[in-house]
Amino acid sequence: AQSVTQLGSHVSVSEGALVLLRCNYSSSVPPYLFWYVQYPNQGLQLLLKYTSAATLVKGINGFEAEFKKSETSFHLTKPSAHMSDAAEYFCAVSESGGATNKLIFGTGTLLAVQP
Amino acid sequence: NAGVTQTPKFRILKIGQSMTLQCAQDMNHNYMYWYRQDPGMGLKLIYYSVGAGITDKGEVPNGYNVSRSTTEDFPLRLELAAPSQTSVYFCASGIFDSGELFFGEGSRLTVL
Repeated sequence: AQSVTQLGSHVSVSEGALVLLRCNYSSSVPPYLFWYVQYPNQGLQLLLKYTSAATLVKGINGFEAEFKKSETSFHLTKPSAHMSDAAEYFCAVSESGGATNKLIFGTGTLLAVQP
Repeated sequence: NAGVTQTPKFRILKIGQSMTLQCAQDMNHNYMYWYRQDPGMGLKLIYYSVGAGITDKGEVPNGYNVSRSTTEDFPLRLELAAPSQTSVYFCASGIFDSGELFFGEGSRLTVL
């Protein structure tokens, strides 16, 4: 069975500081991995995805994530936080080539950005 | 292009009542999903569909039913509402093997 674990339900950074949100996955088959962002009272939006091409994936709004098979990790980073980055971030996994496209989500990390 | 549209956005139900959450997408996606989101729990898959006439259970299907008579619509039915069904419900759609899901804005349901 597939799963993801997000370390830290709340993360607080200062504006301009590095953002690091952690995600570890478990999968018995090559995974597809995703980061989604949810702004208050909205649905989820895709930030970036890994689908077995380049291990360093660049997404929207300056975010990127690196797939590390040896560490079963897919951490999300951004060099310099902006106030508008305050949101909840979800890591998700699905089976590559799976017939159902189902995503399994982590429990989320709420990012606060302090001025 | 509206994307994924959910109605209603808010609803209060009494215990034992029934209702249907509507979901429609205009992107011609074959895959559609219903998730529920509870604080600190992430999103849990209730039901999904890979095409018209085909539905299957997700992680937490008890107390819910779905149907998929058209590509566009994927309603979620709650029978005999219980307080445990108080949650925010998200409908999503996608295409095969892309992994990218497009979400609606959610329906907040309270059962009292």
